[in-house]
Order: sequence, then structure tokens, then C-alpha cells
Amino acid sequence: ETGVTQSPTHLIKTRGQQVTLRCSSQSGHNTVSWYQQALGQGPQFIFQYYREEENGRGNFPPRFSGLQFPNYSSELNVNALELDDSALYLCASSLMGGLINEQFFGPGTRLTVL
Amino acid sequence: GENVEQHPSTLSVQEGDSAVIKCTYSDSASNYFPWYKQELGKRPQLIIDIRSNVGEKKDQRIAVTLNKTAKHFSLHITETQPEDSAVYFCAASYHTGNQFYFGTGTSLTVIP
Repeated sequence: ETGVTQSPTHLIKTRGQQVTLRCSSQSGHNTVSWYQQALGQGPQFIFQYYREEENGRGNFPPRFSGLQFPNYSSELNVNALELDDSALYLCASSLMGGLINEQFFGPGTRLTVL
Repeated sequence: GENVEQHPSTLSVQEGDSAVIKCTYSDSASNYFPWYKQELGKRPQLIIDIRSNVGEKKDQRIAVTLNKTAKHFSLHITETQPEDSAVYFCAASYHTGNQFYFGTGTSLTVIP
């Protein structure tokens, strides 16, 4: 098991609400990437945070936003939830700046939007 | 951005046979290609990876090959076992971005 943790494990929200998901990176890692995994699909890159700034973004609207804190943990915020936002949200931590690219995933947060 | 395609979407093999999963990518700048195994309800776990300066890498029963010219890479599992049953994802990334683009997954079933 990796040292990446996520909270909460499961979450149920209604359409239009806002949600905050949290991720603690593995010790020694300075970068957190967020992915959305719909049922039966591969993870889709949402964005990445490095040095507390967004460092790349996938094809997701602005209502998906994030933060990274000095201890490298991160939050994913989604506003105005839509039914299609129901998915498993994965964060992955990695070390930027070296040759190594490996990303290690957390257990995910299962978000259901009703 | 990068586009990764993965085939087949499902694969069933008899225990002891080999399994091969293939992926193609579109961005010639991609230089890192990991493979993840995801069991039902669990997180994706890195099983093997390959960098663009290497054509093949092997780790026990698992091997990955990369053809940069054709922009495709493959996962080979030999002597399959029932515990190999899972969904496998390929991904592509370029070093400076370290942002992973995943394929759509292959559901592998190993029949005892």
C-alpha cells in the first residue's frame, strides 16, 4: 500500500451543491495530481499541483478547482455539482524535479450526485 | 493533448496462458509509460513502467515493450494466474509535465 490517503471514502451530494475532497501525499513527494474515474473508464486527468500552484489542467471546467498546502497535501473542490460528476476521484502523489515519474494513487473518494 | 487508446477492452485467458494488452499514444513528446493494475474497489497500483530510452523491460512474469516509431507499447503477462484477474490501464506521460493520460482499460479474466 502507498502512503497516499484520501478523505472522505464516500460522499453523497445533490445536484447544485459543492464538495471538497482531500488528499495527503506520500512522504517525500511534492506533487499531487487529481483524476476522475467514471465507472468502467480509465482515470481522466483533472489537474496537478506543484509548489502550491496549478501545474497543468485537463479538459475540466472552472468549477473544478484545487489547492495545495505547504505540507503538500491537496484539496479538490467542485462547485455546482452535476449528475455526471458522480465518479471515483483519485489523487496521486509524485516527486517533481527528478527523473522518476512514478505516481502513487490514494484509495479514492466515491462521489455520488443525486 | 495526449490521446491513449487501449485494446482489447476485455480479455479472457486460460490459467497458464499468456495475455497481451496493447496501447497506442499520439504525442511524440511522451517518454514515460506506466501500467497499472486495478482490482475491484481498489486503487490503481503500478505494476511496471518503461521509459522512452528503453525498448523492453521485464519483471518476472510481466514485460512491457515500447515502439517509439510506431507510438505503441504493450504489456505481456506470461503463465497467467487467477490472481492476475483485474482491470489493467496503460498511461503515457512526458517528464516535464508528469501528467498521466490513461487508456480506457482492459478487463482481464484468468480462467482456472
